[in-house]
Amino acid sequence: AQRVTQPEKLLSVFKGAPVELKCNYSYSGSPELFWYVQYSRQRLQLLLRHISRESIKGFTADLNKGETSFHLKKPFAQEEDSAMYYCALSVTGANNLFFGTGTRLTVIP
Amino acid sequence: DTAVSQTPKYLVTQMGNDKSIKCEQNLGHDTMYWYKQDSKKFLKIMFSYNNKELIINETVPNRFSPKSPDKAHLNLHINSLELGDSAVYFCASSQTAGGSYEQYFGPGTRLTVT
Repeated sequence: AQRVTQPEKLLSVFKGAPVELKCNYSYSGSPELFWYVQYSRQRLQLLLRHISRESIKGFTADLNKGETSFHLKKPFAQEEDSAMYYCALSVTGANNLFFGTGTRLTVIP
Repeated sequence: DTAVSQTPKYLVTQMGNDKSIKCEQNLGHDTMYWYKQDSKKFLKIMFSYNNKELIINETVPNRFSPKSPDKAHLNLHINSLELGDSAVYFCASSQTAGGSYEQYFGPGTRLTVT
C-alpha cells in the first residue's frame, strides 16, 4: 500500500543555515510527489511538485526513485520559512493525495 | 475573491449533537474533498466528489455524510457527535479528479466536541 513518511515531526534551524525536510514514500508504481506548506494562520497550499522541477522560494526537491525519497531542501533558511510542511503522494488511478504526517519547521533568528 | 471558503471557522458543540460544515469554491473546479486533520496534524482524506458524484469514500463512520448540491459546494454533516470527532476539517478542490492536480484548501473548521 502507498504511504508517505516524514520522520521528523519538528525541525529547528538557525537563520541562514541549510535545511532539509525528509520525505520517503512507498509505492510500487510511478509516483508523483508534492510538497504542501501551511504558514501560520494561512491555508495549506502547494509549494512545489517534482514534475515541474522548479525552485520555489528557494526550495528544491528531487525525486530519488532508488531511495524512494523526495526531500525538500533550501541552502539558506529564512525566518519566513517557519511553517508546517507536508509531503504528498499521488498514485496512478487514485483521485486523492496521500499526505505524510508533516514536519513543523522553525527558523530561529 | 476567496477561492475555497468554509463555514463556520470554529464549532464547539456537545456530544450527541448533529452539526454541519459548509464548503464553497469559486474556482470552477469539478472536484472537491474533505480531509480530517487530527491532533497530531495527520491529514487524511475522508470524501471526494467529482461533478456532484461521490468518488472517494474512505473508512469513516456513517455518522459522517457529505452532500454536494452542485459542483461548487460540498457540505459535511455529522450526526451524533463524539469526542473523537474533535479535529480540524479541511475542504479542498481541484480542477478535476486525480491526485496530479493541485488542490486548493479552505481555511479549515476547528470542531471541538465536549
